[in-house]
Amino acid sequence: AQTVTQSQPEMSVQEAETVTLSCTYDTSESDYYLFWYKQPPSRQMILVIRQEAYKQQNATENRFSVNFQKAAKSFSLKISDSQLGDAAMYFCAYRSYYGGSQGNLIFGKGTKLSVKP
Amino acid sequence: NAGVTQTPKFRILKIGQSMTLQCTQDMNHNYMYWYRQDPGMGLKLIYYSVGAGITDKGEVPNGYNVSRSTTEDFPLRLELAAPSQTSVYFCASNPWDRGNNEQFFGPGTRLTVL
Repeated sequence: AQTVTQSQPEMSVQEAETVTLSCTYDTSESDYYLFWYKQPPSRQMILVIRQEAYKQQNATENRFSVNFQKAAKSFSLKISDSQLGDAAMYFCAYRSYYGGSQGNLIFGKGTKLSVKP
Repeated sequence: NAGVTQTPKFRILKIGQSMTLQCTQDMNHNYMYWYRQDPGMGLKLIYYSVGAGITDKGEVPNGYNVSRSTTEDFPLRLELAAPSQTSVYFCASNPWDRGNNEQFFGPGTRLTVL
């Protein structure tokens, strides 16, 4: 079974600075998909960025980028120019290429990010 | 387009009571899911459905039941509520079971069992 581990329960960053959130996963599959979701205090789950395992190029979405290291099974999220609105819980998630439980996501425990003004 | 909607937003139950959490999506997605999020934990899959009339258990199904009579609706039933079911419940949907397609989430229901 696949597992996702986020080893940093909490992180803090100064506004306008850069922060990196870590995520590792365990799988025997060669193809899969990885996601970062943001959960602000409103509880709404918001997709931040996604990565296909068969793509070597790291995904980028504006201030958000990932460092995908397939051999190391690592998928970290970098937030540049941090803003107060980035403060939230961040979840790393895995989806099997072959559908698994029909497309569900497997989540890590999350990292709570605080942004200091 | 409302996306995924859930009702109620909050609920307090007494031990042994029953209730149904409602979930509706207007995106015509075949795949729907129920997750629970316990404090300090990620989301865990309770049940899922691949289309109307088809449901199956996820990782933590005990104490819950689901039905899927239409594409839009996927209610979650709690029978004989227990304190261990105190959690935040999320309903989600996506258009396909594979690929990098986004999974859309409802706003969640915070349930407390006393």
